[in-house]
Amino acid sequence: GAGVSQTPSNKVTEKGKYVELRCDPISGHTALYWYRQSLGQGPEFLIYFQGTGAADDSGLPNDRFFAVRPEGSVSTLKIQRTERGDSAVYLCASRSSPGPRDTGELFFGEGSRLTVL
Amino acid sequence: KNQVEQSPQSLIILEGKNCTLQCNYTVSPFSNLRWYKQDTGRGPVSLTIMTFSENTKSNRRYTATLDADTKQSSLHITASQLSDSASYICVVSDPNSGGGADGLTFGKGTHLIIQP
Repeated sequence: GAGVSQTPSNKVTEKGKYVELRCDPISGHTALYWYRQSLGQGPEFLIYFQGTGAADDSGLPNDRFFAVRPEGSVSTLKIQRTERGDSAVYLCASRSSPGPRDTGELFFGEGSRLTVL
Repeated sequence: KNQVEQSPQSLIILEGKNCTLQCNYTVSPFSNLRWYKQDTGRGPVSLTIMTFSENTKSNRRYTATLDADTKQSSLHITASQLSDSASYICVVSDPNSGGGADGLTFGKGTHLIIQP
């Protein structure tokens, strides 16, 4: 696709339920990032993939959160036993050339807004 | 710990006026600094990317400056328009980061409101 696509755009669920959020990055982008953004805050890093492997998952808050990217393209963020504090916008981003030395553009999706009741 | 501090937290100005947003960082050394615009309910969109050797960079009515010595950057918006209402986020890259978000540290953003 032309840009980073995230689905669903909105998800309302009940406390304790399981949710999956999907990210389809720009074709050919090897690096994929997940961020969480609360109201009035900047994006908070969750996990970074380089290809199929998680290069850094240090931002995942606890073991209820898990993400996969089995074929090096689409990624799914999975949240088990959701809690009200998980309510936020989950942003996905991708870029072609990973690494902080590179000034390659980081493209964001529109986000998935998760509300846990 | 690498930090990126932005000020003001929020700003309201009249349409047509200019404004300047500030970004101070403690990331050192750093590789590049980015400014993003985030409209309400949308994902961030890149405005500028500056390396440590660049002092100023313009993108239409947006001009970013960088002082690597004082670790400060500013984003100046000229002749503001209603469509400039958004959050503006500063992001700094650390080339020595062994991981940790691929070396990207995000500020909390400045929420800008342009009033007619």
